[in-house]
Amino acid sequence: DAGVTQSPTHLIKTRGQQVTLRCSPKSGHDTVSWYQQALGQGPQFIFQYYEEEERQRGNFPDRFSGHQFPNYSSELNVNALLLGDSALYLCASSLPGLAGGRSYEQYFGPGTRLTVT
Amino acid sequence: GIQVEQSPPDLILQEGANSTLRCNFSDSVNNLQWFHQNPWGQLINLFYIPSGTKQNGRLSATTVATERYSLLYISSSQTTDSGVYFCAVERSGNNDMRFGAGTRLTVKP
Repeated sequence: DAGVTQSPTHLIKTRGQQVTLRCSPKSGHDTVSWYQQALGQGPQFIFQYYEEEERQRGNFPDRFSGHQFPNYSSELNVNALLLGDSALYLCASSLPGLAGGRSYEQYFGPGTRLTVT
Repeated sequence: GIQVEQSPPDLILQEGANSTLRCNFSDSVNNLQWFHQNPWGQLINLFYIPSGTKQNGRLSATTVATERYSLLYISSSQTTDSGVYFCAVERSGNNDMRFGAGTRLTVKP
C-alpha cells in the first residue's frame, strides 16, 4: 500500500522566485491538505483540495496557490518567495469526510524542505 | 479559531520511565490525532482518537471530548521514543487540522 509521497525532498530558491511542490496521496484517498511547518513550531494548515477544488483555506496570502488533478495528486505553488517562506512543507491525504460530520484520519508525507536565500 | 495547548513543552526521562503528555483544546472536535515527528520531519500516526481510549503496545491514549482534553501515555520509554509529539484537532464543521506546539521528549539511556 503506497503511502503519501512528496517531491522534491529538498529545494533551494532565491527571494522573488516561484516554486512548485508535488504530492501524491495514499492509495484510496481523494482529499489532499497542505501544511507549512517553520522550525520549532507545529504545522500550520495552508489549504485542502477535494474534487479538484479548494475546499478550505488557512490564513495564508494569495501567493500560495494549489491545484488538484483528476488522479487526486496535488501541487502547491508559491510565488514571489520571501525569506520567511523557508520551512518544511507537508502534504497529508485522507478520505473526504463530511462538513459538520465525521472527519477521517490524515496521513502525512515525508515533506519538502524549502530554503529561500 | 480553536486553540490547542500541549504540556509539558519539554520532557526528559531515563530509559524505562513512564510519561503522560496532555493536550487541551478549546472547542468541540470531530477529529483528534496524536503524531510522533522523527528527526527527519516525518509525522508518524500514533492514534486517531476523537473520543475514548486506545492502546498500541507501550503507547495508549485517552480523549475525554466533553472535557476537551486528550492524554498520551508512554510506558517503559526507550531512546527511540525521543522526538516531538504533536496533538492535532479538527473542529466540528471545519476541514483544517490545528496542531499544538508539541512536546519535545528526550529519553536518556
